[in-house]
Amino acid sequence: GQNIDQPTEMTATEGAIVQINCTYQTSGFNGLFWYQQHAGEAPTFLSYNVLDGLEEKGRFSSFLSRSKGYSYLLLKELQMKDSASYLCAVSNDYKLSFGAGTTVTVRA
Amino acid sequence: EPEVTQTPSHQVTQMGQEVILRCVPISNHLYFYWYRQILGQKVEFLVSFYNNEISEKSEIFDDQFSVERPDGSNFTLKIRSTKLEDSAMYFCASSDPGQGTHNEQFFGPGTRLTVL
Repeated sequence: GQNIDQPTEMTATEGAIVQINCTYQTSGFNGLFWYQQHAGEAPTFLSYNVLDGLEEKGRFSSFLSRSKGYSYLLLKELQMKDSASYLCAVSNDYKLSFGAGTTVTVRA
Repeated sequence: EPEVTQTPSHQVTQMGQEVILRCVPISNHLYFYWYRQILGQKVEFLVSFYNNEISEKSEIFDDQFSVERPDGSNFTLKIRSTKLEDSAMYFCASSDPGQGTHNEQFFGPGTRLTVL
């Protein structure tokens, strides 16, 4: 089975940094994705990790530890438009298993 | 930039009716998927499709569901006899594992299905 856990909600101030943690226990693993989803819209790709370590992409970074079944997404220099749901998803045989998502609210 | 498109954006139907949700994946992609998201819940995998056949399906994808690639561009999801609990946003996605190593899935904008 698949078990992917992430916090339900986080709130942060504009310009700050927020770290969203994700732990997973899955029957297979081909990589871990982070997607952003605004309300009523489709998920959009943010980052991908398959090897241990940090991947940096502008204001967003993602980290993976396969031995610990753990990943995090780091959002820096938060902007109001970053208010959204952030989805952790594990890839296994070309299908994605999603966590429930973390709703991030950015306050002025 | 190429994108996945879906029609209709909203579909309202009566319980027991058949619905067909349509998707046009990105043209050079080889893998196609359907996911659903019930309001307030997580995105759930339904089915993956490659080389004109189902690669994998979830427990949700029972005999009431079917998928088809009727031509070179469209990918459809049919629900034969809709139930109230089928009300959800349905997302189509496509990918090309040959491009890079991470098989990023590109999602369409979704079809919101409401079963009354």
